[in-house]
Amino acid sequence: AQSVAQPEDQVNVAEGNPLTVKCTYSVSGNPYLFWYVQYPNRGLQFLLKYITGDNLVKGSYGFEAEFNKSQTSFHLKKPSALVSDSALYFCAVRRRDRGSTLGRLYFGRGTQLTVWP
Amino acid sequence: ETGVTQSPTHLIKTRGQQVTLRCSSQSGHNTVSWYQQALGQGPQFIFQYYREEENGRGNFPPRFSGLQFPNYSSELNVNALELDDSALYLCASTPTLGGYTFGSGTRLTVV
Repeated sequence: AQSVAQPEDQVNVAEGNPLTVKCTYSVSGNPYLFWYVQYPNRGLQFLLKYITGDNLVKGSYGFEAEFNKSQTSFHLKKPSALVSDSALYFCAVRRRDRGSTLGRLYFGRGTQLTVWP
Repeated sequence: ETGVTQSPTHLIKTRGQQVTLRCSSQSGHNTVSWYQQALGQGPQFIFQYYREEENGRGNFPPRFSGLQFPNYSSELNVNALELDDSALYLCASTPTLGGYTFGSGTRLTVV
């Protein structure tokens, strides 16, 4: 079963407008949720995580995400998009599998965000 | 800048060859995991090492193997390379529960 779904392959938004990148998850228990950003030919850069506590998580570069347990969602948001935000965004959930005492990350397929001037 | 360093950054190998990718993480990061990111896909978990022992493995064949050393460095070895092994290989280290720091990756091309 898919652990993380990013329903949009692409999101396009004008600079200065708010942006939302969607993520839903499927995992039992309390989820550990993450957002990463990837620029071309680069590794993954951490944006924010939800472990416990407030449902609204604030992260790097003005991004935030809202954990919604009833909708099993963890959408990434930013009030005012910048052209430099254009990149590939990955949602991930940490899940502990049988045979392992530690967890692993399950990633969505990624959403390409394009912010046009 | 990330505290995880991977080498080499790019690599071209021929089908059937063997390759070793390296990762160096920060002191105290006693867990390291490796991920494969094929073009247009999200990263897929290969395996994880904790205190130099494998602790969890994804759906990858045995020709993918790894090592973790006491100095917090790690290796990913792939034998009998196939064309489908062409991907970005990412190393991640974590010092505490819930934190993952990724390196910039090694781009492997198998021809």
